Amino acid sequence: DQQVKQNSPSLSVQEGRISILNCDYTNSMFDYFLWYKKYPAEGPTFLISISSIKDKNEDGRFTVFLNKSAKHLSLHIVPSQPGDSAVYFCAGGGSGGGADGLTFGKGTHLIIQP
Amino acid sequence: KAGVTQTPRYLIKTRGQQVTLSCSPISGHRSVSWYQQTPGQGLQFLFEYFSETQRNKGNFPGRFSGRQFSNSRSEMNVSTLELGDSALYLCASSYQGLAGGRYYNEQFFGPGTRLTVL
Repeated sequence: DQQVKQNSPSLSVQEGRISILNCDYTNSMFDYFLWYKKYPAEGPTFLISISSIKDKNEDGRFTVFLNKSAKHLSLHIVPSQPGDSAVYFCAGGGSGGGADGLTFGKGTHLIIQP
Repeated sequence: KAGVTQTPRYLIKTRGQQVTLSCSPISGHRSVSWYQQTPGQGLQFLFEYFSETQRNKGNFPGRFSGRQFSNSRSEMNVSTLELGDSALYLCASSYQGLAGGRYYNEQFFGPGTRLTVL
């Protein structure tokens, strides 16, 4: 049972345009969500997070939107830059008074075209 | 601050052997989590340690174990290696606490240890 799903294995976007990466989840117990970016042969790099009590969080070019009723979140990158080409993972976590392991989606490979 | 470090970066072992991987978290971080990444399954949670205690465990067999030391450094051990254990093993550290009115639970990953089982 995949609790976090990223249905697009890859996404191609032109440089300067907006990149929108989507993520769906089934576990309503997640307290927070995170987005990570991963280059080959490196560990994931934390990008941005959102608490389940919010519907939007913004950090520079990155904005995460959360729609709890639809169990859907999205990451917007604007404007997209060549260095944004990487695999993006969305993850859900539950605080529950302690740290539960993150549950990751399988990732979306974002390709920024010049 | 220095990031999360993992040693060794690469390991080749044969079936039946055992292996120990090491992780040094970001200074001040008290929580260390371990993940396995494979092409088919993606990133999967192994276990999490906080203040030398295992707080949470994923769905992996007992051959996978870990521990955390008083300086928050952590080790992960896999015994009786199988071919399917070939993967990238990632360690992530997190502060897991309140600071300045905000709860910090973001996990920061190390570069991983690439384990190949022959």
